[in-house]
Amino acid sequence: EMQVLESGGGLVQPGGSLRLSCAASGFTFSTFDMKWVRQAPGKGLEWVSSISGSGDRTYNADSVRGRFTITRDNSKNTLYLQVNSLRAEDTAVYYCAKGPYGDPGYYMDVWGKGITVTVSS
Amino acid sequence: EIVLTQSPATLSLSPGERATLSCRASQSVSNFLAWYQQKPGQAPRLLIYDASNRATGIPARFSGSGSGTDFTLTISSLEPEDFAVYYCQQYVNWPLTFGGGTKVEIK
Repeated sequence: EMQVLESGGGLVQPGGSLRLSCAASGFTFSTFDMKWVRQAPGKGLEWVSSISGSGDRTYNADSVRGRFTITRDNSKNTLYLQVNSLRAEDTAVYYCAKGPYGDPGYYMDVWGKGITVTVSS
Repeated sequence: EIVLTQSPATLSLSPGERATLSCRASQSVSNFLAWYQQKPGQAPRLLIYDASNRATGIPARFSGSGSGTDFTLTISSLEPEDFAVYYCQQYVNWPLTFGGGTKVEIK
């Protein structure tokens, strides 16, 4: 069964940093693009970042560009999101999601349960 | 950025009824559109991709149609487990964008 599991969330002060991780299992990790999608409390879904299967191409939403960095370690079947300069508006549940192909973009066919990031002093 | 507008915001129906959800794009997305279902406290689940293809394990009562700028998700006969929020998402252009969601609630 294909699964992804997020970790690394928590409470952080404005301006702080976190590294979110997403452990994948049940599929050949390096052959699929991966994404982060977030959902602020009571709000809809917002795409954050995507990375190709090989890790050579990344894309970020304007709202996080320059502050968030998506990477992956295919030897560890793990996706990361380094989140810096956090703001209150970054408070959300962050979902790790798998794409259907190696190229980034497309839709999300496997989702993790999500991890909460709360930015507050 | 392509804006997706979903309507209605809330749909109040009874089990067994037909649900018709709309997603309209601010510019053509061809057929690069997906639909997701999200229940409270759960992650979204992929229902439909490429506008009309059901994802693995999705019951036949869910169907998607449309192309260009106008899309529809139809649930032919609502089951109790179908009451949830539904989102559309386009993937023709960056940034990937979602609609604001339609909540299907029990009447």
